[in-house]
Amino acid sequence: GAGVSQSPSNKVTEKGKDVELRCDPISGHTALYWYRQSLGQGLEFLIYFQGNSAPDKSGLPSDRFSAERTGGSVSTLTIQRTQQEDSAVYLCASSLGWGRYNEQFFGPGTRLTVL
Amino acid sequence: KQEVTQIPAALSVPEGENLVLNCSFTDSAIYNLQWFRQDPGKGLTSLLLIQSSQREQTSGRLNASLDKSSGRSTLYIAASQPGDSATYLCAGLNNAGNMLTFGGGTRLMVKP
Repeated sequence: GAGVSQSPSNKVTEKGKDVELRCDPISGHTALYWYRQSLGQGLEFLIYFQGNSAPDKSGLPSDRFSAERTGGSVSTLTIQRTQQEDSAVYLCASSLGWGRYNEQFFGPGTRLTVL
Repeated sequence: KQEVTQIPAALSVPEGENLVLNCSFTDSAIYNLQWFRQDPGKGLTSLLLIQSSQREQTSGRLNASLDKSSGRSTLYIAASQPGDSATYLCAGLNNAGNMLTFGGGTRLMVKP
């Protein structure tokens, strides 16, 4: 594809509900990353995938957050039992590979509002 | 833990001025440093990437420099235009090459 795409662009949900955020990386990009941007915390790293594997999940803020990637392409970030502090813009990025030579390209983000 | 700081947090300049945005990082063991632009309500657009072995990169009116020993990077914008108005973010890539640590950004406004 032309760039990283994310869906939905906006999501409003009620506290306690589960949400799924989707990321389609640039075709051929093997590495995929999730970040969160909130007013109080700035832009923070959540998780990355090498292919379908996420070697380090320590960046996820709580055990209510999970992520998976299938077929080396699409990734979903799931937030269970959403809380108001989960409200933020969730950004996805992809790169051709991982390591020092790889430039990360970002999608437009999903704005999540938890009421 | 890597910490990235950007100064100033906000900047307003008249059109045509040359300007410098500053980025500092606490851990000099970065693999590369990227500068991004973010327009309101939008994602991040990559502007320049400087490898740890490089000192600077140029693209059009933009020039970014990197000094790992002092933990600093600067983004120079020449002949600023109103269309340059946006938030500019710098980010350092960690040793494992998988995580960017971002600064808080500089919000730039270029007045016509």
